[in-house]
Amino acid sequence: NAGVTQTPKFQVLKTGQSMTLQCAQDMNHNSMYWYRQDPGMGLRLIYYSASEGTTDKGEVPNGYNVSRLNKREFSLRLESAAPSQTSVYFCASRRQGESGYTFGSGTRLTVV
Amino acid sequence: LAKTTQPISMDSYEGQEVNITCSHNNIATNDYITWYQQFPSQGPRFIIQGYKTKVTNEVASLFIPADRKSSTLSLPRVSLSDTAVYYCLVDGFTGGGNKLTFGTGTQLKVEL
Repeated sequence: NAGVTQTPKFQVLKTGQSMTLQCAQDMNHNSMYWYRQDPGMGLRLIYYSASEGTTDKGEVPNGYNVSRLNKREFSLRLESAAPSQTSVYFCASRRQGESGYTFGSGTRLTVV
Repeated sequence: LAKTTQPISMDSYEGQEVNITCSHNNIATNDYITWYQQFPSQGPRFIIQGYKTKVTNEVASLFIPADRKSSTLSLPRVSLSDTAVYYCLVDGFTGGGNKLTFGTGTQLKVEL
């Protein structure tokens, strides 16, 4: 079982560039999430998708868009990257009603 | 969402038992207490969850008093590999989404 797979693992962008972070899970989970983690801080929720076809804003959605492409895939897009978006991004998934999120290994993004 | 408070950091030595206490004064009736572990450059990993009294698994024990306003994660005989950040969260399993709020966690450092 691969669990939650994130690509790419590392990325450097110039200010103003766009990119999409990919996330896929093979556990048939209903809900998927995008978090960001800055140095010395906990994880902050960007967007989440409770089920296929639905997405909602989390704590820090500005500057991001998401797409729940199907049950397996949930992508995060930065339309115009800013240095403040330099962070480590984690995707997670969860089966509704069950305990525990499964997290991916993260994407380390640097915007210069 | 119920807020949790836990120590910023703790130090221990190999072979000792470590107890990390978390307060969650505003916990709701349907909330569970959940703990995650995060190693550097990795996503958080679910380690244990409980509702009341005591829960034990192969990794840790979780003690929850009757009023459920606090909980204690107990790690028996820690080793260097237990050095990580530990997050205490409350989880309501409420509908789709089940958004979890991560604080800054407790940085546990285990030394020889």
